[in-house]
Amino acid sequence: GQNIDQPTEMTATEGAIVQINCTYQTSGFNGLFWYQQHAGEAPTFLSYNVLDGLEEKGRFSSFLSRSKGYSYLLLKELQMKDSASYLCAVRDPNGGSQGNLIFGKGTKLSVKP
Amino acid sequence: DAGITQSPRHKVTETGTPVTLRCHQTENHRYMYWYRQDPGHGLRLIHYSYGVKDTDKGEVSDGYSVSRSKTEDFLLTLESATSSQTSVYFCAITQGLAGGYEQYFGPGTRLTVT
Repeated sequence: GQNIDQPTEMTATEGAIVQINCTYQTSGFNGLFWYQQHAGEAPTFLSYNVLDGLEEKGRFSSFLSRSKGYSYLLLKELQMKDSASYLCAVRDPNGGSQGNLIFGKGTKLSVKP
Repeated sequence: DAGITQSPRHKVTETGTPVTLRCHQTENHRYMYWYRQDPGHGLRLIHYSYGVKDTDKGEVSDGYSVSRSKTEDFLLTLESATSSQTSVYFCAITQGLAGGYEQYFGPGTRLTVT
């Protein structure tokens, strides 16, 4: 089966940097995704990694190590509006290029002034 | 904005009644998905569709059925609603804007079964 682990909650200070980790155990690998979800809203896509290394997009970066089954989302210059849940997901390795996503339970990030 | 709408946005219904949720998209996406989200469980796939009249089951399909008679609409039916189906339901489509055929979600339907 497939399993995704991420911390349940994290707290950080406005202006700081925070790293949210995600580990996965799957029978294969076909892409990893990060989503942001504010309370009461739908998840919104943040980043996609399929090769090892760092993908940077503004204040947000995502890293992948396929050999370690590990990813992290790095948020820099934290703002109060970054308080949200962050969801790690992997594509079902048996599902092809548009296969289903398997989601972790999410990490709730609280940004304090 | 992937042009996805869901209706209704909120619904309260009684145990044992049938309920149908609608997902509508305007951009001709082939793949559509229904998820439910519950505290402590995250997002779980109920059913998905890979074309008109082509559907398959997900992780938590018991008690749910789907239909897709045209590209733009994907319907989720709770045949006889139970309290365990109280949840937030999200519809999603797949789009390759970032190169990964990432999923984009509709605004969600909050369903309460009393």
